[in-house]
Amino acid sequence: DGGITQSPKYLFRKEGQNVTLSCEQNLNHDAMYWYRQDPGQGLRLIYYSQIVNDFQKGDIAEGYSVSREKKESFPLTVTSAQKNPTAFYLCATRSSYNEQFFGPGTRLTVL
Amino acid sequence: RKEVEQDPGPFNVPEGATVAFNCTYSNSASQSFFWYRQDCRKEPKLLMSVYSSGNEDGRFTAQLNRASQYISLLIRDSKLSDSATYLCVVNSADSWGKLQFGAGTQVVVTP
Repeated sequence: DGGITQSPKYLFRKEGQNVTLSCEQNLNHDAMYWYRQDPGQGLRLIYYSQIVNDFQKGDIAEGYSVSREKKESFPLTVTSAQKNPTAFYLCATRSSYNEQFFGPGTRLTVL
Repeated sequence: RKEVEQDPGPFNVPEGATVAFNCTYSNSASQSFFWYRQDCRKEPKLLMSVYSSGNEDGRFTAQLNRASQYISLLIRDSKLSDSATYLCVVNSADSWGKLQFGAGTQVVVTP
């Protein structure tokens, strides 16, 4: 069953903690993306990776970090430097037709 | 100016009626265009790609007007299940594979 999985579905973080969001895909897509969505807002790009061991900052990378050690995996770490991390986080892959496909998302809440 | 702009709505549509809405984009070099559908608290899902000649998928018709830099989506015979937020997506001219998302147009189909 091909697709994108994200875990956990809900995550609660205390101020000052780092947390890591998981994203795994078995679509064999090279490119992967992380977006953030705030209530009533559009998607904003955090980081993206077009190939293993390479990634680029998106529009709002400050306070976030990523790694891309395997084609299937693109974890996102939300660090304590991110001042307002409460949001809906979406991971996506891109097909050869430039279409993006999304995982089910992780809702992060800072307590 | 935002790269992709949409009327946020809501567009309130009686069941069975037709609704249409547009999205404007700022960069004339954009090449790929898509409509995504997002249900409340869910991930966006690809509805259709938009081709230069226009395309239709069942009750949905998408058009591209390069001269005026907008794309449109028309929904015929609206169903209650069409209630959602429709996201306009355009590829970014400064980085192939990096998509720009509009904030979405909300459609509410009423019985």
